[in-house]
Amino acid sequence: AQSVTQLGSHVSVSEGALVLLRCNYSSSVPPYLFWYVQYPNQGLQLLLKYTSAATLVKGINGFEAEFKKSETSFHLTKPSAHMSDAAEYFCAVSAPGGGTSYGKLTFGQGTILTVHP
Amino acid sequence: EPEVTQTPSHQVTQMGQEVILRCVPISNHLYFYWYRQILGQKVEFLVSFYNNEISEKSEIFDDQFSVERPDGSNFTLKIRSTKLEDSAMYFCASGKDTYNSPLHFGNGTRLTVT
Repeated sequence: AQSVTQLGSHVSVSEGALVLLRCNYSSSVPPYLFWYVQYPNQGLQLLLKYTSAATLVKGINGFEAEFKKSETSFHLTKPSAHMSDAAEYFCAVSAPGGGTSYGKLTFGQGTILTVHP
Repeated sequence: EPEVTQTPSHQVTQMGQEVILRCVPISNHLYFYWYRQILGQKVEFLVSFYNNEISEKSEIFDDQFSVERPDGSNFTLKIRSTKLEDSAMYFCASGKDTYNSPLHFGNGTRLTVT
């Protein structure tokens, strides 16, 4: 069984400030981990993914995340927030395996990021 | 860039009615999924579909739900007799292969059951 916990349903930062969105996971097998972003009235867009290669993963729009097995964490960071980063962010986990296992995602509850001037 | 397309964007139906939510996955994708998000809750996996059959389904996906890929392009989710608690945003997703390619999600259909 797998689960994801995102700490903080709302995070507010100033433009130019560090963005840190927290995600902790639980998995009985080595996980695949993902961050998705959802802008208003749009679908979920993949920001980045960890699939057991490098533990520091770089994604789109300047975001990156570090897989820390000892802490069961996969926090999302961006050094300098931009107004366009305002959206809802979802952390998700899946299990390695053939077929459709990769796409069977367990999501966290989401974190709404607000960026103010 | 190819997109996953869902129609309609919003559907209102009365309790007990049948609804069909439609999705057009990306054309060369082989794996298909439905997820839903009840307002204020997590996005939840419903079902995965490959090679014209269901691969996995969640506990939510009971006999009231069915999926179909009728013509090689559309991928539909049918709810036979809707309940109030079926009100949610339903997302379709497709993937090309396994872990090397990401899932592509549609913009969702908001289903409101009255």
